[in-house]
Amino acid sequence: AQSVTQPDIHITVSEGASLELRCNYSYGATPYLFWYVQSPGQGLQLLLKYFSGDTLVQGIKGFEAEFKRSQSSFNLRKPSVHWSDAAEYFCAVGYINFGNEKLTFGTGTRLTIIP
Amino acid sequence: AAGVIQSPRHLIKEKRETATLKCYPIPRHDTVYWYQQGPGQDPQFLISFYEKMQSDKGSIPDRFSAQQFSDYHSELNMSSLELGDSALYFCASSLNSKNIQYFGAGTRLSVL
Repeated sequence: AQSVTQPDIHITVSEGASLELRCNYSYGATPYLFWYVQSPGQGLQLLLKYFSGDTLVQGIKGFEAEFKRSQSSFNLRKPSVHWSDAAEYFCAVGYINFGNEKLTFGTGTRLTIIP
Repeated sequence: AAGVIQSPRHLIKEKRETATLKCYPIPRHDTVYWYQQGPGQDPQFLISFYEKMQSDKGSIPDRFSAQQFSDYHSELNMSSLELGDSALYFCASSLNSKNIQYFGAGTRLSVL
């Protein structure tokens, strides 16, 4: 069964600093990988996705992620964070079952931004 | 652009009552997914439907049932509610061939 690990439960960075959120997955085949962001009391917004091809994917809000098959990782990065980036970030892996996909989420990383 | 609509946004019920959550997918999306997110937890897959047929099932209690209707909206029915059912329930929709799920804002269910 597929699984996702986000080793960092909580990360605090200063506004303007760079950010990297870690994600490792376990899956028997080439995964579909996603990063979602959730603000308090809100739904999940898709930041970016990886299906195939270029291993460095660009997303919304200046985020990017790099798929590294050898490390089973899909880390999320941003060169300079903004106070509005404070939220919960979820990495997810998609499992294709007869064309339909269910997502398995990691436990999330809470990002706090300090001025 | 139209998004996934969930109703109600908040719901308060007492133990042993029933609740019905509704989900209206993005127009032309043919697949609907339900997830449950407990306090401080990650979303857990419950069930999904493709073209009005159940396509996959996760950790959904037997007290819960769901269906997708001819207009592709979906309803999650929850009976004999327990305190532990208090959670945020997300619906997501996708176009089967695109494999990208778009989430609604969720329904927050509180069982007292």
